[in-house]
Amino acid sequence: SAVISQKPSRDICQRGTSLTIQCQVDSQVTMMFWYRQQPGQSLTLIATANQGSEATYESGFVIDKFPISRPNLTFSTLTVSNMSPEDSSIYLCSVLAGGGVDTQYFGPGTRLTVL
Amino acid sequence: ILNVEQSPQSLHVQEGDSTNFTCSFPSSNFYALHWYRWETAKSPEALFVMTLNGDEKKKGRISATLNTKEGYSYLYIKGSQPEDSATYLCAFMEYGNKLVFGAGTILRVKS
Repeated sequence: SAVISQKPSRDICQRGTSLTIQCQVDSQVTMMFWYRQQPGQSLTLIATANQGSEATYESGFVIDKFPISRPNLTFSTLTVSNMSPEDSSIYLCSVLAGGGVDTQYFGPGTRLTVL
Repeated sequence: ILNVEQSPQSLHVQEGDSTNFTCSFPSSNFYALHWYRWETAKSPEALFVMTLNGDEKKKGRISATLNTKEGYSYLYIKGSQPEDSATYLCAFMEYGNKLVFGAGTILRVKS
């Protein structure tokens, strides 16, 4: 298993600004994922971040809007750039960390409100 | 676009009631079906990962079944307790480790 922490846990931001969310894992993992859940919607994968390579973005998500860093095997950041109210969501990171058939372990999430 | 549907959207039950909810997913390219429990302000907690048609898994009062041929999974909670109140998510996994989530079932158990 893995224990994951995220910072900040919540934030309220102004339109047009950017926020960087940090994800720290208590063990070294190869694959990390960033998700978001907009109000009333499903958890949706934004991108997969592997250490040592560029993040792979899902359809509808672009690097300019959601730049990701993965400097080592225990840490990643997701930046939400030039925010608008539509970016108000819960953002979660997750990792694959053994525990059986591709079990993903999640952080507690960052609740973002954009005014 | 993969579509994973969960029903009902929300459920209110009395303490002691048993309940169940449904997850429907594509029956092709199946690799695994995950169930998570998500309490507010906490991390989603993995409940089950199911891979074989006919699988039944149990964890305490919670159990799940899987039918990959028809594309559905049921989650059962026996004797619901207030601490079972949470959002229950299912996620379909194709080959390649990507999880596609349903919108979840919100369960509220009244004491």
